[in-house]
Amino acid sequence: DVKVTQSSRYLVKRTGEKVFLECVQDMDHENMFWYRQDPGLGLRLIYFSYDVKMKEKGDIPEGYSVSREKKERFSLILESASTNQTSMYLCASSFPPTMRGEKLFFGSGTQLSVL
Amino acid sequence: TQLLEQSPQFLSIQEGENLTVYCNSSSVFSSLQWYRQEPGEGPVLLVTVVTGGEVKKLKRLTFQFGDARKDSSLHITAAQPGDTGLYLCAGGKSGGSYIPTFGRGTSLIVHP
Repeated sequence: DVKVTQSSRYLVKRTGEKVFLECVQDMDHENMFWYRQDPGLGLRLIYFSYDVKMKEKGDIPEGYSVSREKKERFSLILESASTNQTSMYLCASSFPPTMRGEKLFFGSGTQLSVL
Repeated sequence: TQLLEQSPQFLSIQEGENLTVYCNSSSVFSSLQWYRQEPGEGPVLLVTVVTGGEVKKLKRLTFQFGDARKDSSLHITAAQPGDTGLYLCAGGKSGGSYIPTFGRGTSLIVHP
């Protein structure tokens, strides 16, 4: 089974801190994604990456950056955490689509609280 | 702008009841997926539909893709407490990397 592992289930940080969220997948997937999930807003795409060192902005990239130095690892960085970044963060991975509708595999999420 | 509108947002029903969740858009999608998310976990794919008018069944769950590929529905027959969760639809467009757009979700609670 595909496994997408996020390094922390819960994280509490202070305003202004630099925060790293780590995600590792074990199925040699090319594509990796970072979403944030807020009640009533669904999943919103922050960044995605389709190859090592390649990244594309999603719908809400402001205040975030990403790093993909190795194929299996995709990191989300909050340069200076703010309270409005308190959220559930979900990482996902997938192969490039060989047909329409490639499956996304999600991690269990990291609930980040910024105080 | 939310491209995919899901309704209802919340649903609380008794075991054994039937229900339908809707996912609507003004955009045409090359495929549409339904995910279920249980508390404390990430979403898990239930089904992908790619052909207009397509109907897929997964035990008590029936998924339909609209003829124009702009909308979809999920029907659950005789709901059980194990069906409790957040149901998310996600639409994808053809060409380039597959980057799905998610709806806001329907939170379903099935009471024993």
